[in-house]
Amino acid sequence: QKEVEQNSGPLSVPEGAIASLNCTYSDRVSQSFFWYRQYSGKSPELIMSIYSNGDKEDGRFTAQLNKASQYVSLLIRDSQPSDSATYLCAVRVDSSYKLIFGSGTRLLVRP
Amino acid sequence: GAVVSQHPSWVICKSGTSVKIECRSLDFQATTMFWYRQFPKQSLMLMATSNEGSKATYEQGVEKDKFLINHASLTLSTLTVTSAHPEDSSFYICSARRPPYDEQYFGPGTRLTVT
Repeated sequence: QKEVEQNSGPLSVPEGAIASLNCTYSDRVSQSFFWYRQYSGKSPELIMSIYSNGDKEDGRFTAQLNKASQYVSLLIRDSQPSDSATYLCAVRVDSSYKLIFGSGTRLLVRP
Repeated sequence: GAVVSQHPSWVICKSGTSVKIECRSLDFQATTMFWYRQFPKQSLMLMATSNEGSKATYEQGVEKDKFLINHASLTLSTLTVTSAHPEDSSFYICSARRPPYDEQYFGPGTRLTVT
């Protein structure tokens, strides 16, 4: 059973702080990794994709991938109340392009 | 770019009737689309993978005769919930992969209520 694990939270951070969201996956051959943001009652929105070990930055977001440890994380700098949402980690596991989603981490940014 | 639409955004139907949901990729051609279902406060559950011009691949436990999927063109996939029952009430979301990349882009979702 291929799995993607996330802490359900909520992770509560003050406005302006760095929020760190973590994800582990079980399938060692996974090649593609994604972070989605989902506001309550809405569909997921793609934030970042990462394919290689190391860091990838896009604005206030940084994705980090460590394939040896089977670990991917998302850092949100200068967190804003509007960042309050559930963050879903997703991993592509095979040639069908299916994604396996974690259950999500709920982030609360306190004003 | 990478915009996916869904129609309708919400629908209420009576038990025993069928409902069709459309998913369109507006600015790219999607050879692969996916259908998910999400119950309140739960994670996404993949129902099926839809490939243009071929039969959909259903996940284990999903009734293919109840959830009919058609991917007749590179920009349109449809999900028909047949003989709907109240337990089918849920948030149905489609996504589309924009080749040659792996990223999936989600539609806004369709909220189905069966009375």
